[in-house]
Amino acid sequence: SQQGEEDPQALSIQEGENATMNCSYKTSINNLQWYRQNSGRGLVHLILIRSNEREKHSGRLRVTLDTSKKSSSLLITASRAADTASYFCATGTGNQFYFGTGTSLTVIP
Amino acid sequence: DAGVIQSPRHEVTEMGQEVTLRCKPISGHDYLFWYRQTMMRGLELLIYFNNNVPIDDSGMPEDRFSAKMPNASFSTLKIQPSEPRDSAVYFCASSQRPNEQFFGPGTRLTVL
Repeated sequence: SQQGEEDPQALSIQEGENATMNCSYKTSINNLQWYRQNSGRGLVHLILIRSNEREKHSGRLRVTLDTSKKSSSLLITASRAADTASYFCATGTGNQFYFGTGTSLTVIP
Repeated sequence: DAGVIQSPRHEVTEMGQEVTLRCKPISGHDYLFWYRQTMMRGLELLIYFNNNVPIDDSGMPEDRFSAKMPNASFSTLKIQPSEPRDSAVYFCASSQRPNEQFFGPGTRLTVL
């Protein structure tokens, strides 16, 4: 399977804490993306990191990529209740992307 | 722009019936993707189009599934005949480049 696998499957934290999610994949990639899905909604693109990048920031999001380990992490700092959602990594080459099974994040107010 | 539009939002049908799901991508986007999401299998890519042409349909589960894109602003995913195991949320997504995809709200299909 070319799908990424997120870890952990579920994460529950207190508001204000940091949340870290990991993604492992099996094949070579051109880039890796992270998406968020709120309950009952479609996925929303968060950030893209290219295979030649090691770290990228966007607001409270920090993404790292280690191509030698075929893994990526998504860090959400100073979490808020509104960050409660499922988070997916998407890996691929060319035009196709494969999504993992997601990490369900719950931020408790 | 209104974003990717999907209809219907919910569909309940009986086994054996034909189901047609519709998608209007964001204007100017050259790529259109159909996904299926279930608890068991997660988010699966079914098929994608580039400039209205199907590029890869290897994710289509079987011949009961078919997808068309007659023009740049409309696509359909048809299931005929439908089966209970087809019950899932079906998402359409579009993109200008094969990177950031914009997802529609999905169609929740229940086949009884």
